Amino acid sequence: EVQLVQSGAEVKKPGESLRISCKGSGFTFTSYWISWVRQMPGKGLEWMGRVDPSDSYTKYSPSFQGHVTISADKSTSTAYLQWSSLKASDTAMYYCARGRSSGYYYGMDVWGQGTTVTVSS
Amino acid sequence: DIQMTQSPSSVSASVGDRVTITCRASQGLGSWLAWYQQRPGKAPKLLIFAASSLQSGVPSRFSGSGSGTEFTLTISSLQPEDFATYYCQQANTFPYTFGQGTKLEIK
Repeated sequence: EVQLVQSGAEVKKPGESLRISCKGSGFTFTSYWISWVRQMPGKGLEWMGRVDPSDSYTKYSPSFQGHVTISADKSTSTAYLQWSSLKASDTAMYYCARGRSSGYYYGMDVWGQGTTVTVSS
Repeated sequence: DIQMTQSPSSVSASVGDRVTITCRASQGLGSWLAWYQQRPGKAPKLLIFAASSLQSGVPSRFSGSGSGTEFTLTISSLQPEDFATYYCQQANTFPYTFGQGTKLEIK
């Protein structure tokens, strides 16, 4: 079965660091890029950035550049989203999703189940 | 950034109705657009890619059209499971951006 399985919910304090993960299975991980998408409580979807696991090339949204780091380990078919210093405003659900584009856009067709991050003092 | 504007932001409809959601882009996208459905508490689900291609496994009552700056998602005959929030998303230019969402509610 093709799937992305994300790590579990996290509760952190402001200023703490965090890394959440997204493990792919059932497909060739290096044939797709992995995006991260934020959804704040009661709000819409925001694209944060993506990584190409084949070469670890990343693209970020300017809204998130410098505040998060996206990476991937192709040997374990796992993508990561990490923060060095969390803020209360990082409280949200985070989804990973796979996608590809080759001549045209195939969309993000497989999504993880989401990881809830709560940042509170 | 390319701004994606969906209309309406919410719509009430009945089972069996035909519903159309519009997505307008601030710049031309070609056909680099996708539509997603999100039910409460669930991850988004891809419905349409490349503006008009139906994702495998998605019922044929869903269809997409448009190119450039104006796109539409049409549900031909609403079913109970279709009441959800719908998002368009462009992948023509980084950063990718989503519309603000259209909430489809039961009348």
